[in-house]
Amino acid sequence: DAGVIQSPRHEVTEMGQEVTLRCKPISGHNSLFWYRQTMMRGLELLIYFNNNVPIDDSGMPEDRFSAKMPNASFSTLKIQPSEPRDSAVYFCASTRRAGNQPQHFGDGTRLSIL
Amino acid sequence: DQQVKQNSPSLSVQEGRISILNCDYTNSMFDYFLWYKKYPAEGPTFLISISSIKDKNEDGRFTVFLNKSAKHLSLHIVPSQPGDSAVYFCAASARNSGGSNYKLTFGKGTLLTVNP
Repeated sequence: DAGVIQSPRHEVTEMGQEVTLRCKPISGHNSLFWYRQTMMRGLELLIYFNNNVPIDDSGMPEDRFSAKMPNASFSTLKIQPSEPRDSAVYFCASTRRAGNQPQHFGDGTRLSIL
Repeated sequence: DQQVKQNSPSLSVQEGRISILNCDYTNSMFDYFLWYKKYPAEGPTFLISISSIKDKNEDGRFTVFLNKSAKHLSLHIVPSQPGDSAVYFCAASARNSGGSNYKLTFGKGTLLTVNP
């Protein structure tokens, strides 16, 4: 079975540029999560979608961050404009239904903003 | 304020011995706990979970113990193998007003090294 697929695996770009991270959840999973991992703060939930609808975006750090889920098999996380402090590893995870179900993670996108 | 703490950044054990990874939490509303394993350049992989109605859950070489009164859980790996060398994350969630406990709060991880 294909797991959660994220692209790109690595992204290096200059400050001020727009960055788009992509995620394909596991087929049949209807809950999708975006996380950010940094040395200082560890793994933090940014946003949670259920059935393609954003349910909790309280972890999105600023208005520069936005996320969409246009259909059950695709989600994007966009940063515009990007800043050096956005450098981190961004993970996408999915689960069949949220609540006492383990979340399955992709391999992440390592983002470096110069 | 860290609600889930893994106080040992690293742990080293000999192959064949027991590995014990510890995790403490402060939020008494947490009712579902998980352990994830993470290799470099990969995403976290789910290992084992436990609900607050239990105090032990076992899956092969992995056992998780939950002590609710102490707000403490631990992961035991017996016997440890070199392939178990990875970062282990503890995570917890609390049921919200809508009855869902989707929001995982993670510890910062413990790097386990199993020496041959």
